[in-house]
Amino acid sequence: QVQLQESGPGLVKPSQTLSLTCTVSGGSISSGNYYWSWVRQPAGKEMEWIGRMYSTGSTNYNPSLKSRVTISVGTSKNQFSLKLSSVTAADTAVYYCARVSCTAGSCRVFDIWGQGTMVTVSS
Amino acid sequence: EFVLTQSPVTLSLSPGERATLSCRASQTVSINYIAWYQHKPGQAPRLLIYGATFRATGIPDRFSGSGSGTDFTLTISRLEPEDFAVYYCQQYGTSPMYTFGRGTKLEIK
Repeated sequence: QVQLQESGPGLVKPSQTLSLTCTVSGGSISSGNYYWSWVRQPAGKEMEWIGRMYSTGSTNYNPSLKSRVTISVGTSKNQFSLKLSSVTAADTAVYYCARVSCTAGSCRVFDIWGQGTMVTVSS
Repeated sequence: EFVLTQSPVTLSLSPGERATLSCRASQTVSINYIAWYQHKPGQAPRLLIYGATFRATGIPDRFSGSGSGTDFTLTISRLEPEDFAVYYCQQYGTSPMYTFGRGTKLEIK
């Protein structure tokens, strides 16, 4: 079955760019009917959707983060990546990659998730 | 700003009891756009319910979803030991935008 795994640095300095990769196993990001997404959760707060990417490279981002976020296909065809620029302590969170399932053209739910990776922004 | 409010924050019950978790939206939501997830520490979140009432693949029938308008409910009919976890509701908005509630922690009494 399809599994997702996040990877990347656990510590990023303020003002730098946070970079994470999600590796998809048991499936392909080129599969139709799915978006590939990032979600984060700061400690004690609700999950926040960051953005999503289709296999064509088309993207949608949370307006609150749009100016700092890039989601794209990774160096391997079964990877996609997240870049978040100009980070501050407020970006400290557990970051999850997730697959968004589409039905009849509506892509509403996250049907498969990674386990998450903790990223701390600190000097 | 669209907000999902989950209650209670913590629910303490014993195995075999019935659990009722609430998710209230700040605006009317199409039932097609409400989902519920289960999350255990150190594990990937798991999709339980989509379209407010439909169980995801492999989800036991003791889990059920209901509701409409602004009020939605996840019910676990008879708690099993493995059901103690944090539960989140999520709404899909057509911008697109995905919004989550803060979660209900279901703990063993």
